[in-house]
This record gives sequence, C-alpha cells and structure tokens, in this order.
Amino acid sequence: GDSVTQMEGPVTLSEEAFLTINCTYTATGYPSLFWYVQYPGEGLQLLLKATKADDKGSNKGFEATYRKETTSFHLEKGSVQVSDSAVYFCALRNNAGKSTFGDGTTLTVKP
Amino acid sequence: SQTIHQWPATLVQPVGSPLSLECTVEGTSNPNLYWYRQAAGRGLQLLFYSVGIGQISSEVPQNLSASRPQDRQFILSSKKLLLSDSGFYLCAWSGEGGSNQPQHFGDGTRLSIL
Repeated sequence: GDSVTQMEGPVTLSEEAFLTINCTYTATGYPSLFWYVQYPGEGLQLLLKATKADDKGSNKGFEATYRKETTSFHLEKGSVQVSDSAVYFCALRNNAGKSTFGDGTTLTVKP
Repeated sequence: SQTIHQWPATLVQPVGSPLSLECTVEGTSNPNLYWYRQAAGRGLQLLFYSVGIGQISSEVPQNLSASRPQDRQFILSSKKLLLSDSGFYLCAWSGEGGSNQPQHFGDGTRLSIL
C-alpha cells in the first residue's frame, strides 16, 4: 500500500534559520502531494500542494517540489519565524482518492 | 466559502459511556467526508469515510461507528467507550475532482476517557 515517511522530529531552529523537512513516499500511479500544518489545539490546514512531477507548491514562504525520480517532496523555507512553530504533515492522495499521511514533524522556532 | 464545524471541542467521558461527535460542512454539496483519530505525537489514522448519504466505509475495525444522515452531516458514535478511544478526533471534507483535491479539516475534538 501507499506510505509516507517524513523526517523525525522534533526540529528546533533559531529565528531566520533555513528549514528543511524531508518527505519521501511510496505509491502506485501518480499521486498528488500535500503539506499540511497543525497549530496547537487545532486541525490541519493545507499549506501547499503539487499535483504532478516537477511542480513546485509554495505558500507563505514555504516551498516543496514534486520529485518523481526520488519520490520526494521536501518542505523548505529560507527564513523561519517563531510563528512557524507547529507540526507539519506530508501527505499524498492517490488516483483512487485515498489519502496517506506521514507521522508529522514538530518544529519549534526560538527567538 | 466552505466551512467545516466540529463539536464539541473537548469532551471528558467515563469508560463505558456512549459517544456522539458531530461534524457539518457548509458551502459545498456532495462532499467526501472523513473521520480521523490522532494519538498524541502521532500521525492521522483514518477511521471512516463517506462518499454520499448513507454510504460509510470503515478502515479500522473497532467499537466506533459513523453515520451520514444528511449530505453535509457526519456523525461519529460509540455505544461503550474504551480507555483506548482517547485521542484527538478530526473531521475533514474534500470536493469531487480526484486526487488533486486537498482535504479540509475541522478544529478537532479532544476526547479524554476516564
């Protein structure tokens, strides 16, 4: 079956540091890929998505590129802020419409 | 615009008591609806999904059940709660249109079983 593996946390960075959270996936066909963010006590919010190979999703300074050859969708941000502290989930949705989520990576940004 | 409402936000229940969590979606028709459970520090476990009224698919056998009495209403129930049912329950919806549609989540219900 499908699977999503993302970098284990927690990740702690200083403000303005560069962020990378790795995500790799296994799926048949051509899934769509997503990053979601969860702030404390809330549900998940869509951060960005990419629907085909070489697409780059971007939002709020975050970016991720759909790499079919390496089956990866790493999340990056050039300069993190304290307000970016949250749990980040990588997910895929396959051609049958079924979603698979990674276990989440907790990011803490210190001033 | 579309919105999703989930309630209650928190719930404390004794072991063996019944459960009913409700989720409603506004601003869209015929959504796909989902119930997930998130254990502390873990990812999401899909419990149920529904593609239409009265159509429920169960992903994990357990003492929970789901119902969809109306197009935009999704209910998670149990007749007798277990300690292991504690967790953060999330309702979500997605539109028709295939794999490129993201899921939209409610704010969740924190369920504690005593």
